[in-house]
Amino acid sequence: QSALTQPASVSGSPGQSITISCTGTSSDVGSYNLVSWYQQHPGKAPKLMIYEVSKRPSGVSNRFSGSKSGNTASLTISGLQAEDEADYYCCSYAGSSGGYVFGTGTKVTVL
Amino acid sequence: QITLKESGPTLVKPTQTLTLTCTFSGFSLSTSGVGVGWIRQPPGKALEWLALIYWDDDKRYSPSLKSRLTITKDTSKNQVVLTMTNMDPVDTATYYCAHVFGYSYGYVKAFDIWGQGTMVTVSS
Repeated sequence: QSALTQPASVSGSPGQSITISCTGTSSDVGSYNLVSWYQQHPGKAPKLMIYEVSKRPSGVSNRFSGSKSGNTASLTISGLQAEDEADYYCCSYAGSSGGYVFGTGTKVTVL
Repeated sequence: QITLKESGPTLVKPTQTLTLTCTFSGFSLSTSGVGVGWIRQPPGKALEWLALIYWDDDKRYSPSLKSRLTITKDTSKNQVVLTMTNMDPVDTATYYCAHVFGYSYGYVKAFDIWGQGTMVTVSS
């Protein structure tokens, strides 16, 4: 059970859109529509932003959207804002024996 | 309103057993579909899922740590306890407990509410 692969960093200017990829395998991301995304500001607990690939919890801005193709899931942040600067982690269900696997994390910088 | 809070020692010695408690409010672990998970994060590193316990006492563990972990619940106290044996300096991390939602056929949709985390250092 290896961590899902994310780019170490992604940056963008205010108002731009950025996309963070999350690559797994056919045993996790590719097999289940159970990918979730978490935002973590320094020193804070993670916050759920997306679940079931593309669904947003109540209260999460519609600037955040998710998708999946094959073994790769993606999180897109549109209209980038200063408050979006944080670390982002994906997570996927990996079956009854694998449990849950998180991504390596991506640091988003707003230029 | 759902809240969770982790508690336990801040410092443990190598080879010792770590016991962490998650005390929660706003939900009951006797309600069908409810669960609590544990996730950790070494300083400057990524999140790692450790274990999950459901209302029906079904338990799931990280395959890589399964031999060292035990998760239990005390429904009357609204607590979930995680024990990890044979602690090593590489286990130094912030440990989080989280409420899970969307239970269906043995899996959940996400960890939706997290505790503030508790930092555990493993050192002699």
